[in-house]
Amino acid sequence: QVQLQESGPGLVKPSQTLSLTCTVSGPSISSGTRYCNWVRQPAGKGLEWIGHIQTSGNTNYNPSLRGRVTISADTSKNQLSLKLTSATAADTAMYYCAVWFGELQNEFWGLGVLVTVSS
Amino acid sequence: QSVLTQPPSVSAAPGQKVTISCSGSNSNIGSNYVAWYQQFPATAPKLLIYENNKRPSGIPDRFSGSKSGTSATLGITGLQTGDEADYYCGTWDSSLSASVFGGGTDLTVL
Repeated sequence: QVQLQESGPGLVKPSQTLSLTCTVSGPSISSGTRYCNWVRQPAGKGLEWIGHIQTSGNTNYNPSLRGRVTISADTSKNQLSLKLTSATAADTAMYYCAVWFGELQNEFWGLGVLVTVSS
Repeated sequence: QSVLTQPPSVSAAPGQKVTISCSGSNSNIGSNYVAWYQQFPATAPKLLIYENNKRPSGIPDRFSGSKSGTSATLGITGLQTGDEADYYCGTWDSSLSASVFGGGTDLTVL
């Protein structure tokens, strides 16, 4: 059974760094074909892809966030992390991690974590 | 403004069929696989369709996907009130080197 769980501070002050962790239960994120994504959704709005890290360690980011975002993986803990620097109110959103497992031919999502950027 | 264009809303009666369109360009839909997601209020999105027309295990065959040129379509047959949700298309954009989503379509089953 695959489960993903996001965790991190629900409140971040403007200009600070937003840091989240996604813990994956089940298959390893370091083997097979994996695309480990972070996606966010402001209240009442659509989905916005933040970026991903592949099994190879290669990363790609949303051009609108490039320079502020870093996605990494701790394979020993089967965890993903997201760091978004210089947070502003525009970064307030529900943040999801989503992982594509090639051998399962499926993508699994976490329940999401709400992050508010406010002083 | 989303890179992929979807109608904001569609509606149909129970038991009927509905289609949701997703329009893009050569750099995204035209050259990459399309996925479709279903999202109920206050819940995480769920993968419905991947690689244009494949269903993950557990997704009913009432849901189908197709792609032609720079557009993709999600079809839902035998509509049920439980299908009322937001639906998003997504794909890779080779020019942006980024994944992109459509703006989402709100499905109402009248």
